[in-house]
Amino acid sequence: AQSVSQHNHHVILSEAASLELGCNYSYGGTVNLFWYVQYPGQHLQLLLKYFSGDPLVKGIKGFEAEFIKSKFSFNLRKPSVQWSDTAEYFCAVNSGGYQKVTFGTGTKLQVIP
Amino acid sequence: EAQVTQNPRYLITVTGKKLTVTCSQNMNHEYMSWYRQDPGLGLRQIYYSMNVEVTDKGDVPEGYKVSRKEKRNFPLILESPSPNQTSLYFCASSLWTGGDEKLFFGSGTQLSVL
Repeated sequence: AQSVSQHNHHVILSEAASLELGCNYSYGGTVNLFWYVQYPGQHLQLLLKYFSGDPLVKGIKGFEAEFIKSKFSFNLRKPSVQWSDTAEYFCAVNSGGYQKVTFGTGTKLQVIP
Repeated sequence: EAQVTQNPRYLITVTGKKLTVTCSQNMNHEYMSWYRQDPGLGLRQIYYSMNVEVTDKGDVPEGYKVSRKEKRNFPLILESPSPNQTSLYFCASSLWTGGDEKLFFGSGTQLSVL
């Protein structure tokens, strides 16, 4: 069965600091990978996704993620965070052809002005 | 506007009183799914549906029922709610083309079972 691990549960950064959130999955076959963001009081929305091609994917609001197959990782990065990035971030995986989407436990990011 | 609509937004009920949370999407999506979100546990899938009359269990289906009689609707039914079902619930839908399509989420239903 597929699973997703997000090791950082709560991250606090100052504005302009760089961000990297870890995501590891367990599945040996073809995977589709996603990062979703949930701003306070709102529903989840897609930040970026990877399903094939260039392992470095760029998403909205300056976020990017790199798929490293050998490490089963899909870490989220942003070079300079803003206060408005305060939110909870979820990594998700769907193994190709398998109809379940599995989410990680989430990372709460707090950006201090 | 493309959207997933959940109702109600907030619900307080008592143990054992049957309830239904509705979910509707206007994007002609095949795939619909229910999740519950709990602190420290992230989102866990309850049930999902690949199309009309096709449903399957997710990771935490106990105590829940679903139906998919029409493509646009996917209600979540709690026949006999218990306090451990107090949670934030999200419905989601997707145009399933092999799993690489994003999920569209509803605004959530905060359920409290007393």
